[in-house]
Parts: sequence; structure tokens; C-alpha cells
Amino acid sequence: DAGVIQSPRHEVTEMGQEVTLRCKPISGHDYLFWYRQTMMRGLELLIYFNNNVPIDDSGMPEDRFSAKMPNASFSTLKIQPSEPRDSAVYFCASSWVVYEQYFGPGTRLTVT
Amino acid sequence: GQQLNQSPQSMFIQEGEDVSMNCTSSSIFNTWLWYKQDPGEGPVLLIALYKAGELTSNGRLTAQFGITRKDSFLNISASIPSDVGIYFCAGQTNYGGSQGNLIFGKGTKLSVKP
Repeated sequence: DAGVIQSPRHEVTEMGQEVTLRCKPISGHDYLFWYRQTMMRGLELLIYFNNNVPIDDSGMPEDRFSAKMPNASFSTLKIQPSEPRDSAVYFCASSWVVYEQYFGPGTRLTVT
Repeated sequence: GQQLNQSPQSMFIQEGEDVSMNCTSSSIFNTWLWYKQDPGEGPVLLIALYKAGELTSNGRLTAQFGITRKDSFLNISASIPSDVGIYFCAGQTNYGGSQGNLIFGKGTKLSVKP
């Protein structure tokens, strides 16, 4: 079975550019999560969806961040405009049972 | 907000040794989970615990949900080289936040003794 798929695996962009991260959850999972991981702050939940509906976006840093889930098999996390402090590894995770989350390989974002 | 204190921050293992790590909090948690992360990869779920006092094994790994609901332990028996990596505890609480909002510890880094 395919796990959570994320693309791209690496992204390097200049400050001010728009960045779009993509995620395909495990088929049949009703929950989808977006996390950010940094050395300073560890793993932080940004937003999660249940049946394509955003449930909790309290972790989204600011209005520059937005996430969508147009259907059960696809989600995007967009940063516009990007800033150097957004540099981090972004993970998508999905689950059937809300707590037992399965993570993708991550997208390493570098904003210069 | 809720915080998880994970210890030790790092440890060195020799093949064959048993390993213990723990996670504590000042808040009560309803669910505890343990993940392992290898370099360049996402965390992988090892064990999920749902009930105070619960003891669950997954191969050489054993985890316990503390009776006070404020802590959890992970033990690895007879460690092997592929056990190296970063181990994270995660907890869920109904106090603030939503059901899916897991709080993660800072991790315990397991390395091989030089």
C-alpha cells in the first residue's frame, strides 16, 4: 500500500515567492494533517481536516499560510509571500483513527 | 499551553543494551503515542496507548501509559543498530485544542556508542 505522498521533497525559493506544497493521503483515511518541524520548535500542528473540512487551523502562523482540501485524495499548503523564517520541513499526515497519524516523507523548504 | 518533557534528550547505545526513555507533563493526557523518525523521513508510529496503566508491546518495544495520565515510558530491549533515530512521544488532551491536536515532545536521539 502506498503511504502518504508529498511533493516536492525539496523546495528552494526566494523570499516573496509563492510556495505550494502538495499531499496525497492514504486512501480511506478521513483525517489529514499539516505539520511543520524546526529545530527550535519541534513538530507543530498547523491545520487538520476531517472529511475535507478544516477542523482546527489555530496553528497556522499567519494569513500568509493557507491550506485546502478540494477532495479526499489531495491537499495543498500554500505560503504567499514566503519569508526566510518559513524555512522548515513540512509534513503531511493522514489517519483513520484521529490520533494514529501516518506521516509522509516531508517537504524541506528553504526560503532565501 | 501543554508541554511534554521528554528525557533523555540523547543517549548512546551499544548493541544488545536495553533502552528506556520517558515523557512527562503537568497536564493530564487522554492518549499517548510513540513515534520514531529516521533522518530525512517522516515520523513512523510505533505504539498508541489509550488507557491509564495500559502496557503495550510491539516487538522489542514496550510502552506504558502512566497511572497518573501525566507520563508515558518507552523501553527498547536488546537494541540493534537500526534502532538509532529520534523517538518522539505525543499526547492528546481535551484541555484546550481539538481532538486531533497532538502535542509532541522534543525527542530523544538514540545514537550508537563510538
